[in-house]
Amino acid sequence: EAGVVQSPRYKIIEKKQPVAFWCNPISGHNTLYWYLQNLGQGPELLIRYENEEAVDDSQLPKDRFSAERLKGVDSTLKIQPAELGDSAVYLCASSSGTSLLETQYFGPGTRLLVL
Amino acid sequence: AQTVTQSQPEMSVQEAETVTLSCTYDTSENNYYLFWYKQPPSRQMILVIRQEAYKQQNATENRFSVNFQKAAKSFSLKISDSQLGDTAMYFCAFTPNAGKSTFGDGTTLTVKP
Repeated sequence: EAGVVQSPRYKIIEKKQPVAFWCNPISGHNTLYWYLQNLGQGPELLIRYENEEAVDDSQLPKDRFSAERLKGVDSTLKIQPAELGDSAVYLCASSSGTSLLETQYFGPGTRLLVL
Repeated sequence: AQTVTQSQPEMSVQEAETVTLSCTYDTSENNYYLFWYKQPPSRQMILVIRQEAYKQQNATENRFSVNFQKAAKSFSLKISDSQLGDTAMYFCAFTPNAGKSTFGDGTTLTVKP
């Protein structure tokens, strides 16, 4: 069974440019998470989807960040415009059910560097 | 708001020995779940072990076990017979029954041959 797929793995952009990250969860997983992980810190939830509905986006900086999961499968996270402080690893995870006890399966992450 | 504290930024252990990673949390919730995740240098995070707060029995998964002290709000991870492949960053995470997960800042564990 394929795991959570994320692309690109690495991205270098200049500040004020837009950037997009893509995530394909494990097949059949209804819940999808986007996390931000700064160097030396634990992941912080940005947004959680149950199918195509964003059920928790309270930590998503909506002035520059947006996300979508139109068909309830793969998802895209966008930043426009990027700032220097956005340099981090962006992790995607998925779980099979909607219970918060469900095991989250993480992707390899996208490492973003904003110059 | 919930907080999770991992007071040991770095630890090391000799291969085949036992090591304990500490985690404390702060919450007013009574029902919640606790997790330990492992993030090897390749950066793909995987679940090591989980504990439901209403269960008194400590969870065990092969060489990994927890010491869950609900009153003290402590959730430590014990790794027995450490192996080189256990070298990774370990994150403690807290999830309330109706809310999002909060992760600690991690403990980097190095297993030395």
